[in-house]
Amino acid sequence: KAGVTQTPRYLIKTRGQQVTLSCSPISGHRSVSWYQQTPGQGLQFLFEYFSETQRNKGNFPGRFSGRQFSNSRSEMNVSTLELGDSALYLCASSSGREAGELFFGEGSRLTVL
Amino acid sequence: TQLLEQSPQFLSIQEGENLTVYCNSSSVFSSLQWYRQEPGEGPVLLVTVVTGGEVKKLKRLTFQFGDARKDSSLHITAAQPGDTGLYLCAGASRGQNFVFGPGTRLSVLP
Repeated sequence: KAGVTQTPRYLIKTRGQQVTLSCSPISGHRSVSWYQQTPGQGLQFLFEYFSETQRNKGNFPGRFSGRQFSNSRSEMNVSTLELGDSALYLCASSSGREAGELFFGEGSRLTVL
Repeated sequence: TQLLEQSPQFLSIQEGENLTVYCNSSSVFSSLQWYRQEPGEGPVLLVTVVTGGEVKKLKRLTFQFGDARKDSSLHITAAQPGDTGLYLCAGASRGQNFVFGPGTRLSVLP
């Protein structure tokens, strides 16, 4: 079956701009989680959506937001970009059951100049 | 806040050697997973352990979950260049999302 698809793969923005990243999960998966990966902090949990509702949220400022559509596709938005937002943003899809396997996409690499 | 530590941070070995990487926390987890991430790709699940003291083997990889469910180890026998990558452990408590460790970057030289 098709894997997790993230778009765009690479993007460059300047400080103060906003960005929207998209994630299409594996067909049938209702949970989508977003993670930020940086060399210094590793993989940090942003939020999880399940059936269009935010189920869990990490410790990120309100500039980071997300949503999930009825077809389980998800988007995350970062407003007022800062240099420190440069990172690989990974989306993971799962069935949503506890301790279930996370299937990751290849990520969207964001560079903020 | 649950924190996971992994050691060593970097490991470079010759093909054929054995190695062990560790994942430790002060928190108790209901389940723990190990992932491997290769450059330009997302992490891929290797194993899930849920029972304290559990040992799972996946070909040349042996995973152990500590009795107290606070730590885990990954042992690789006769490492191969294809084992090169970033090894991540991730722990979850009931009802919570997985928290990832910083990873161990393994390089196996031919």
